[in-house]
Amino acid sequence: QKEVEQDPGPLSVPEGAIVSLNCTYSNSAFQYFMWYRQYSRKGPELLMYTYSSGNKEDGRFTAQVDKSSKYISLFIRDSQPSDSATYLCAMTSYGNKLVFGAGTILRVKS
Amino acid sequence: GAVVSQHPSWVICKSGTSVKIECRSLDFQATTMFWYRQFPKQSLMLMATSNEGSKATYEQGVEKDKFLINHASLTLSTLTVTSAHPEDSSFYICSARDLWGLAGSWQFFGPGTRLTVL
Repeated sequence: QKEVEQDPGPLSVPEGAIVSLNCTYSNSAFQYFMWYRQYSRKGPELLMYTYSSGNKEDGRFTAQVDKSSKYISLFIRDSQPSDSATYLCAMTSYGNKLVFGAGTILRVKS
Repeated sequence: GAVVSQHPSWVICKSGTSVKIECRSLDFQATTMFWYRQFPKQSLMLMATSNEGSKATYEQGVEKDKFLINHASLTLSTLTVTSAHPEDSSFYICSARDLWGLAGSWQFFGPGTRLTVL
């Protein structure tokens, strides 16, 4: 079993839809949870960063962490074609290396 | 946000030659830099962790004599692929951890270097 599980998709939605992306994990030591966006042939871009459980909102993006369920989510409201990319969840404990999910390919159709 | 650059962005070389890739943190100091490899439609695979002024720590299965890493300053790390072969063709991405980042866990990624070995 992988430490971090993420459905690779692809996930295809119409423009304006609410997108829900999820990851589950098995290591209860993880404390820091991140979402990265990666466009084709580009490096990952940090989107959201959350410590421990809770919600964090930034514009159209909301990140949720439920440590009791070992489940994290990223919601994208009013999705745009420019949101089409691969979304990678990543997590770590203090000072340790990041553990990535497989990445979910998102396609937003205009 | 913090900016990490990589050079070159794309390189083609002949089999048997060596290629050096540079990773720079432009507006922050990075005590730790990471090197990843990514194959098409796959996630990032950590190759090694480098700390400024000390030897890199390689992940299991990564040949340290083939992938030479030098982290000579707080803003520069280099990855040299020695005696490159076609199977080394991949997308190489570095990241840098902000010295002052929250709990030392922030990582900012470079744009990647696409290596093609003929």
